[in-house]
Amino acid sequence: GENVEQHPSTLSVQEGDSAVIKCTYSDSASNYFPWYKQELGKGPQLIIDIRSNVGEKKDQRIAVTLNKTAKHFSLHITETQPEDSAVYFCAATLYAGKSTFGDGTTLTVKP
Amino acid sequence: GAGVSQSPSNKVTEKGKDVELRCDPISGHTALYWYRQSLGQGLEFLIYFQGNSAPDKSGLPSDRFSAERTGGSVSTLTIQRTQQEDSAVYLCASSLGQGADIQYFGAGTRLSVL
Repeated sequence: GENVEQHPSTLSVQEGDSAVIKCTYSDSASNYFPWYKQELGKGPQLIIDIRSNVGEKKDQRIAVTLNKTAKHFSLHITETQPEDSAVYFCAATLYAGKSTFGDGTTLTVKP
Repeated sequence: GAGVSQSPSNKVTEKGKDVELRCDPISGHTALYWYRQSLGQGLEFLIYFQGNSAPDKSGLPSDRFSAERTGGSVSTLTIQRTQQEDSAVYLCASSLGQGADIQYFGAGTRLSVL
C-alpha cells in the first residue's frame, strides 16, 4: 500500500521567516495531494491541495510544489505569523477512500 | 453552512464497556470516513462509506470495531469491550464523493478508556 513520510516532525521559526515541510510517497499512482492544518482541539482543515497534473500551486502566503518523478511534494509558508502555529498534515490519495496521511509536523512561529 | 458534527466531544469509559460515537456529515456529502488519531500521531484510516456501496472496512483494527451509516447520512462507530489502547481522538470526515476530493473533518471525539 501507499506509504507517506513527512519531515520534519517539529519546526520552529521566527515570525516573518519561511517554513518548508516535505512529504514523500511511494505509490506513483497517487494523484491528489492535500495539506491540512490542525489547531489544538479541532479537526484538520484543508489549506491547499494539488493534483498530479500540476507542478505548483500558490494561494497568498502558502504554496505547494509537486515532483512526480521523485515522488515528493512540499508545503511552503512565507512571512509566517504566530497564527500559523499548528500541526500540518500531508496526504497522498489514490482514489476516493484511499488517502494516506503523514505523521504531521508541529510548526511553532515565535513572535 | 453547518460542518461535520461529532458527538460526544469527550467520552470517558471503563475498560470493557461498549461505546458509540456519532458523526453527522455535511448535507449532500455521499462519502464518509472515520479515522483514529493517537496522541502525537497521524491519521489512521478506519472505514469509508460511499453512497449505497459496501463500506471499505480494511482499516478497522479488530472485530471489536464496527460502523454503520443509516440512510446515507449519520454514521455511528461502535467499539465493543473497550481496551486502554483504544484511547485516542476519533475523527470523522465527509466529502462530495466525486473521486479524490476534499475531506471536511469534524472536531473529533476524544475517547479515554480507564
